[in-house]
Amino acid sequence: NAGVMQNPRHLVRRRGQEARLRCSPMKGHSHVYWYRQLPEEGLKFMVYLQKENIIDESGMPKERFSAEFPKEGPSILRIQQVVRGDSAAYFCASSPDGRTDRRAFFGQGTRLTVV
Amino acid sequence: GNSVTQMEGPVTLSEEAFLTINCTYTATGYPSLFWYVQYPGEGLQLLLKATKADDKGSNKGFEATYRKETTSFHLEKGSVQVSDSAVYFCALMVDSNYQLIWGAGTKLIIKP
Repeated sequence: NAGVMQNPRHLVRRRGQEARLRCSPMKGHSHVYWYRQLPEEGLKFMVYLQKENIIDESGMPKERFSAEFPKEGPSILRIQQVVRGDSAAYFCASSPDGRTDRRAFFGQGTRLTVV
Repeated sequence: GNSVTQMEGPVTLSEEAFLTINCTYTATGYPSLFWYVQYPGEGLQLLLKATKADDKGSNKGFEATYRKETTSFHLEKGSVQVSDSAVYFCALMVDSNYQLIWGAGTKLIIKP
């Protein structure tokens, strides 16, 4: 049973380009969470999704950021018109239910660098 | 608001040394407390947790005790190994069952 798979591991984008980060949850997990870690800071919650639904996006920046978790395929975190301040590590986690205090598993993260 | 503060790294120790990584928190209500570890090239893994005051979480020789009076959850290990080299994150959860609040992480380097 493969763990949570995130790709790419490293992504370099020029300012103004789009970044697409993918997260494939563990088999049987229908709940996905995205976190962002800025340099020298702890991870910050961004969004919680179930299949085809956004449950909580209270941590998402209001502009340029969007997330989806379609019925088929991975969850996608999309950042439009990236700026230098978007450079960070983005972590995805999945769980079989809506709880990360029990059986949540995290991916390796995607490190986004905006140049 | 809710927050977690952990000691800055990197922490460098020799093999078999005693380890303490400090973690203190500020939270409303009664949080659950966690330590996660990220080994090089791998994802974050839950190391141990405690859900109420005076609980002790333990795993792989690591321990942490939930101290409400000092709002702390320090990570300890009696004898570290080179394979313990990783980044350690302290985190808490209040109110919801999914939104973790994290410390900045402490990089641990163990030298043979």
